[in-house]
Amino acid sequence: QSALTQPASVSGSPGQSITISCTGTSSDVGGYNYVSWYQQHPGKAPKLMIYDVTKRPSGVSNRFSGSKSGNTASLTISGLQAEDEAYYYCSSYTRSSTFVLFGGGTELTVL
Amino acid sequence: EVQLVESGGGLVQPGGSLRLSCAASGFTFNTYWMSWVRQAPGKGLEWVSHISESGAHANYADSVKGRFTISRDNSKNTLYLQMNSLRAEDTAVYYCARGTYYYDSSGYAHPTSLDYWGQGTLVTVSS
Repeated sequence: QSALTQPASVSGSPGQSITISCTGTSSDVGGYNYVSWYQQHPGKAPKLMIYDVTKRPSGVSNRFSGSKSGNTASLTISGLQAEDEAYYYCSSYTRSSTFVLFGGGTELTVL
Repeated sequence: EVQLVESGGGLVQPGGSLRLSCAASGFTFNTYWMSWVRQAPGKGLEWVSHISESGAHANYADSVKGRFTISRDNSKNTLYLQMNSLRAEDTAVYYCARGTYYYDSSGYAHPTSLDYWGQGTLVTVSS
């Protein structure tokens, strides 16, 4: 099964807001509220930033928020900071035998 | 503090085998599903396998089905991944991760997120 579709890269200036999209199908993103987002700095392990579409784990800044409309989920980062520069991956449960799908990843550059 | 520490990676020839381990601490290991996720050099994340709290249920990505086996020893708080018939395309950093799963009314478990990850262990398949 194909990965979820994310833009390869996005960029923004400090203080601005950016949104990263994650498009799937009705068998995954659109069919369940089990979308999560992960932040990964180069050479480091992924870190959970958003789960169940909109929820933030304890300790994650409220500058990070998630949403979903139809088969597309989105991660919004407001008040962009230099430390936000990283790769971001979306993930969703899928009712196929794959169980868990990841997006291809989006490189966020803070200008 | 939740900690996951992988070990067992290294260089192996095509067709060879390797067993990865993941030592868990800081939480009640036998109450969580656990997963393996890999990342090929310069590529994205790929889910590999997961196993239920007791070890009774396990699933695999099609790319590793029949070659990899996930298991756990709850008495040792350790997760394993036995990898056989390794191929060049299995070269990757392998992460273990703790899963959060939702059980629906029929008892079916839906993975919702992976909330803690280890630092990863590199597996290189090359002659």
